[in-house]
Amino acid sequence: GIQVEQSPPDLILQEGANSTLRCNFSDSVNNLQWFHQNPWGQLINLFYIPSGTKQNGRLSATTVATERYSLLYISSSQTTDSGVYFCAVKVEGGSEKLVFGKGTKLTVNP
Amino acid sequence: ETGVTQTPRHLVMGMTNKKSLKCEQHLGHNAMYWYKQSAKKPLELMFVYSLEERVENNSVPSRFSPECPNSSHLFLHLHTLQPEDSALYLCASSQDLAGGWDEETQYFGPGTRLLVL
Repeated sequence: GIQVEQSPPDLILQEGANSTLRCNFSDSVNNLQWFHQNPWGQLINLFYIPSGTKQNGRLSATTVATERYSLLYISSSQTTDSGVYFCAVKVEGGSEKLVFGKGTKLTVNP
Repeated sequence: ETGVTQTPRHLVMGMTNKKSLKCEQHLGHNAMYWYKQSAKKPLELMFVYSLEERVENNSVPSRFSPECPNSSHLFLHLHTLQPEDSALYLCASSQDLAGGWDEETQYFGPGTRLLVL
């Protein structure tokens, strides 16, 4: 099956810093989503981005489908950005299964 | 609030108990999902329902039994579980299974933290 690898596994930042999270995948995809899971377990969808670039406030994401990776940018980080960021993909021509990476755990210190 | 609710939020059960997890979505979506999140492991898809029909069963043991009586409700019936089944169980919904951003974006409930003793 498809492999989804996220890096780095852990990231610690000071408030105000910028960061880039990466998601590599091993097969062609027609669906890629980024999620944030807060410390209480709630998952929130950030982006649906199988290709191209999107921005939402301090967050933006870019997916280069031909090179099989996606990047999530967080600018001017805040303590509320802490949590785990997951990338999830669906294989083109495959099942309806969304395959998740192991996530990047982000800690933003005040 | 994502429009997806789950009850109970926490559950402790013995290996011989029978319990059910409930998920309800208030978004008018057609697809619903059960996921399992264990410590140190990626989220695992368990079941997918579309218009109340199961479309994906990801090799889940029979001690987990899903039920989708209508497009707004999804249950996960549990019986004779094992301690390794302790995990966070997440429900999600999407407008449809395919079609792009609006249709495929998944909305998650807060989860049920299950501990099997």
